[in-house]
Amino acid sequence: ETGVTQSPTHLIKTRGQQVTLRCSSQSGHNTVSWYQQALGQGPQFIFQYYREEENGRGNFPPRFSGLQFPNYSSELNVNALELDDSALYLCASSRGGAINPDEQYFGPGTRLTVT
Amino acid sequence: AQSVSQHNHHVILSEAASLELGCNYSYGGTVNLFWYVQYPGQHLQLLLKYFSGDPLVKGIKGFEAEFIKSKFSFNLRKPSVQWSDTAEYFCAVNPPNTGFQKLVFGTGTRLLVSP
Repeated sequence: ETGVTQSPTHLIKTRGQQVTLRCSSQSGHNTVSWYQQALGQGPQFIFQYYREEENGRGNFPPRFSGLQFPNYSSELNVNALELDDSALYLCASSRGGAINPDEQYFGPGTRLTVT
Repeated sequence: AQSVSQHNHHVILSEAASLELGCNYSYGGTVNLFWYVQYPGQHLQLLLKYFSGDPLVKGIKGFEAEFIKSKFSFNLRKPSVQWSDTAEYFCAVNPPNTGFQKLVFGTGTRLLVSP
């Protein structure tokens, strides 16, 4: 069973630029969630995709957007990067979509540094 | 604001000592509860989860947690820690009535076990 994978591992961007992070979900999982983990903090929920549609969002501005593809992989896009966007971005996949509670399986994360 | 609190930010123990990490949440209603662990250099892994039923939950590697509804708590315990338990531990809650799976994490507890 292949776990959740993310790319790239590390990324350095300049303030104002745009970035795309990628995630491949675990086999058999149809739901992908994205989290932002700032240094010394717990992960914060950004949004969740289920069957290619966003079905839940946390307190993040619209410049954080995403996509989910038919194979359930996902992208996180961040426009107009700010210094505070520097963080570890985690992708998690799960089964069950909106209704059934299920554990989430996390990827290794992408470390984004904005200078 | 509704949240998840982990009271101990750093814990240092000797091998064979007993461990208890506190977790409190402020959501009413039915919640799903999780403990995740992040070993150095590794991604977040699920230790245990509570959805319903027996409030004493057994997880991997000898960990257990007790859900006490009246205290809004889900404390993690291990009778005898090992050096390999050195890691960061996160309590997480899937709040009720969100319509989707969303994890709200505490800020984490760094555990250092000295040999």
